[in-house]
Amino acid sequence: EAQVTQNPRYLITVTGKKLTVTCSQNMNHEYMSWYRQDPGLGLRQIYYSMNVEVTDKGDVPEGYKVSRKEKRNFPLILESPSPNQTSLYFCASSLYTPGRYNTDTQYFGPGTRLTVL
Amino acid sequence: EDQVTQSPEALRLQEGESSSLNCSYTVSGLRGLFWYRQDPGKGPEFLFTLYSAGEEKEKERLKATLTKKESFLHITAPKPEDSATYLCAVQANTGFQKLVFGTGTRLLVSP
Repeated sequence: EAQVTQNPRYLITVTGKKLTVTCSQNMNHEYMSWYRQDPGLGLRQIYYSMNVEVTDKGDVPEGYKVSRKEKRNFPLILESPSPNQTSLYFCASSLYTPGRYNTDTQYFGPGTRLTVL
Repeated sequence: EDQVTQSPEALRLQEGESSSLNCSYTVSGLRGLFWYRQDPGKGPEFLFTLYSAGEEKEKERLKATLTKKESFLHITAPKPEDSATYLCAVQANTGFQKLVFGTGTRLLVSP
C-alpha cells in the first residue's frame, strides 16, 4: 500500500530535550515536506526537500532541522524544543518533475501530535 | 504574498441539504488549486486538483469548480459521513511545490 508513515504519532516532552520525528514514504517520491498545523493558522510549511541531499526552508523553519540522506526518509529534528513548537506535524511527499506544467499531488502522513512542556 | 481564505469557517447541514464551500485565493501565477478532506486526528486526504479557470471535477457527491479568483466545493445531498474539515490550498508557479493552505471549513452533516 502506497503511504507516508510518521513516528511517533504522539509525543509529550520537556523544553530543551532533543527529539526527532521520522517520516518515510514508499512511493519513490522525490519531493518531501514538513508542515505544522495550528488552530486558526492552517497548515504552514517548515522545510522541504526536492531530492536526496537537497533541502530548503519553508515559511516557519526557526527551531527545526531536517536531513535527507535517503530518498524515502525525511526526519524532522527539534534540537531544543520550546512550548511554542507544540503543534500537529504532517509530513507529505510527491513526485517532482522539473519543468512539468501540471503539478503533482502531495500525499500526507497521519500526523504527529507534539506537546512541549 | 500568496493567500487563501476559506468560508464559512463552519457549516452545519441536514442530511440531503446541498451547499457550497468557498475558497478565495490570491497567488502569483496559479500552478494548481487543491482540495483536501481532513478527518479529526488524521492527515489531509487528497480530493481534487484544478489547474485553470472553468475547470470542474467531480467525485461522488462532491464537485469542485475554479475561477480566476476562487474555487467552490459543491456538496450535493450530503450524508453524515461527509462530515469533516475541507481544506483548500494553492501552489504558485514558483516555490517548488509549496502548498499555501486556507484554515479550512468544518462541515457537520446531521442525520
